[in-house]
Amino acid sequence: GNSVTQMEGPVTLSEEAFLTINCTYTATGYPSLFWYVQYPGEGLQLLLKATKADDKGSNKGFEATYRKETTSFHLEKGSVQVSDSAVYFCALSDSWETSGSRLTFGEGTQLTVNP
Amino acid sequence: DAGVTQSPTHLIKTRGQQVTLRCSPKSGHDTVSWYQQALGQGPQFIFQYYEEEERQRGNFPDRFSGHQFPNYSSELNVNALLLGDSALYLCASSFGVHEQYFGPGTRLTVT
Repeated sequence: GNSVTQMEGPVTLSEEAFLTINCTYTATGYPSLFWYVQYPGEGLQLLLKATKADDKGSNKGFEATYRKETTSFHLEKGSVQVSDSAVYFCALSDSWETSGSRLTFGEGTQLTVNP
Repeated sequence: DAGVTQSPTHLIKTRGQQVTLRCSPKSGHDTVSWYQQALGQGPQFIFQYYEEEERQRGNFPDRFSGHQFPNYSSELNVNALLLGDSALYLCASSFGVHEQYFGPGTRLTVT
C-alpha cells in the first residue's frame, strides 16, 4: 500500500535559517503530493501541492519538487520566520486523477523557529 | 464563504459509550472525508462519502460508521468507545476529486 516517510523531528532553527524537511513516498501509479501545515490547536491547511513528476509546488516562500526518480518531495524555505513554527505533514493521494481521494500522511515534523 | 465547520469542538466520553461528530462542508463541495489524528501522529483515513454513499474506507473497525445527508453534511459515529479512540477527528471536504480542505477538528477524550 501507499506510505509516506518524513524526516524525524523536531527541528529547531534560528530566524532566517534555511529549512529542509525530507519526505519520501511509496505508491503505485501516479500520486499527487502535498504538504500540509498544522498550527497549534488547529486543523490542517494545504501549503502546496504537485500533481505530476517534475512539478514544483510553491507558496509563502516554501517550495517542493515532485521527484519520481527518487520518490521524494522535500520541503524547503530559504529564510524561516518565527511565524513558520508549526507541524508539517507530507501526504499523497492515490493518483492525479483522484486528488480528492484518500490522503496518506507522514508522521509530521515539528518545526520551531527561535528569534 | 464559510470553510469546513465541525461540531462539537471538544467532548469527553466514557468507555463503552457512543459518540456522534458532525461536519458541514465548504460551500460547493460534495465529498466529505473523515480522518483520525492521534496525539503526535499523522492523520489516518477513516472513510469518504460521496452522493450519500461510503465510497472508500480505511482500516477502521465497523464501530466507526458514517452518514452523508442530501445537503452534503456528514456525521461520524463511533460505538463502544475505547480509550484508544481518544484523538482529534478531522473532516475534509472537496468537490469531487479535487483537493481537500480540512476543518478545525473535534477533540474526543475517552475516559
